[in-house]
Amino acid sequence: GAVVSQHPSWVICKSGTSVKIECRSLDFQATTMFWYRQFPKQSLMLMATSNEGSKATYEQGVEKDKFLINHASLTLSTLTVTSAHPEDSSFYICSAPPGRQGAITEAFFGQGTRLTVV
Amino acid sequence: AQSVTQPDIHITVSEGASLELRCNYSYGATPYLFWYVQSPGQGLQLLLKYFSGDTLVQGIKGFEAEFKRSQSSFNLRKPSVHWSDAAEYFCAVGALNTGNQFYFGTGTSLTVIP
Repeated sequence: GAVVSQHPSWVICKSGTSVKIECRSLDFQATTMFWYRQFPKQSLMLMATSNEGSKATYEQGVEKDKFLINHASLTLSTLTVTSAHPEDSSFYICSAPPGRQGAITEAFFGQGTRLTVV
Repeated sequence: AQSVTQPDIHITVSEGASLELRCNYSYGATPYLFWYVQSPGQGLQLLLKYFSGDTLVQGIKGFEAEFKRSQSSFNLRKPSVHWSDAAEYFCAVGALNTGNQFYFGTGTSLTVIP
């Protein structure tokens, strides 16, 4: 299947700093990518939909100024956690569905990024 | 609204025993259904998916799932569990009309005892 690479796999940062997480589709183009957050022992909660060449769409309750999303190319989306706080510590996962919008096939997931804010 | 329910938070089975993980969904149109597995600290791996056609779908690692429209269910099964199957399992519905967004169940944690 298609490959989605997420980097870094884990990161520890100090409170107040910013952290950037990259999500790359390695062998296909993705006009849309999704960012999820997963708390321990819980399911994945959609944070935002990243759209190539346009603004991201955020789910209700997600602070767009805190979680900056940039989808600069058809193979790269980035999530920047700004002014991170300990409560932002979580497992962040991106996914990319190959194919055109409306032609659902499946979603390929990155390996996830474990963020710990100290 | 779309939703996915996995009634069992945690299941423990003996190695070699059969397994069934339950999944119920709520969706206004024909659902696109998926099962993913997640090992600790890892991303999600697709086990199998159902789009249309035969309601019994085969996946990787010996898993299968059956789509039952009348029961709004998509239960995952395996006839003989291996210790390496211990992981978190997520059922998901893909929403065609929202640009391939996925809705996940809360997951079922599987423990396999020797």
